[in-house]
Amino acid sequence: DSGVTQTPKHLITATGQRVTLRCSPRSGDLSVYWYQQSLDQGLQFLIQYYNGEERAKGNILERFSAQQFPDLHSELNLSSLELGDSALYFCASSAGTVNSPLHFGNGTRLTVT
Amino acid sequence: DQQVKQNSPSLSVQEGRISILNCDYTNSMFDYFLWYKKYPAEGPTFLISISSIKDKNEDGRFTVFLNKSAKHLSLHIVPSQPGDSAVYFCAAHSGTYKYIFGTGTRLKVLA
Repeated sequence: DSGVTQTPKHLITATGQRVTLRCSPRSGDLSVYWYQQSLDQGLQFLIQYYNGEERAKGNILERFSAQQFPDLHSELNLSSLELGDSALYFCASSAGTVNSPLHFGNGTRLTVT
Repeated sequence: DQQVKQNSPSLSVQEGRISILNCDYTNSMFDYFLWYKKYPAEGPTFLISISSIKDKNEDGRFTVFLNKSAKHLSLHIVPSQPGDSAVYFCAAHSGTYKYIFGTGTRLKVLA
């Protein structure tokens, strides 16, 4: 158990809809990362937060947004969903210090129909 | 722009033998490298890491080697066990706070 909690585990929704994925980091970790994995592809970096502030952005679509709250949990909002957004979405956390590894949750599988 | 590459999508090894997984990177600014193991329906699990100031790091059956001049790292698993069958991802990190992952290598350890 990595200590990172993601909810929900599965999500099925229709095109055009909006969903929110939630992540609770490991106790003590200040940094949260979001990754997307489509169809056995690699992990594509979306966005990183550190102690509530956005730190780095990857290939995140404008239809997607995220935030990290004062209690350090994070939410990833996906709107105007398209079929191609179907993927596994992983959250990871780290202490945010130099050379600290990421610890991943078990992901949310999003299916857009 | 694939900055971290795992050119072997799959690898089969006999139980008890050595598994060698390879990873190449292009960005010389990367200073921290990691290996993760992933089972189906689970998130990636951190295995072992290495800083760019080292060329080798060992943890039990797992050893990571870093060749900075070749921009290459490898993960050795000795001896390989059936429970090691999983997808292995290498990742590289730079000062811009991003962790970039390769596409993974599926390891199958045959009993």
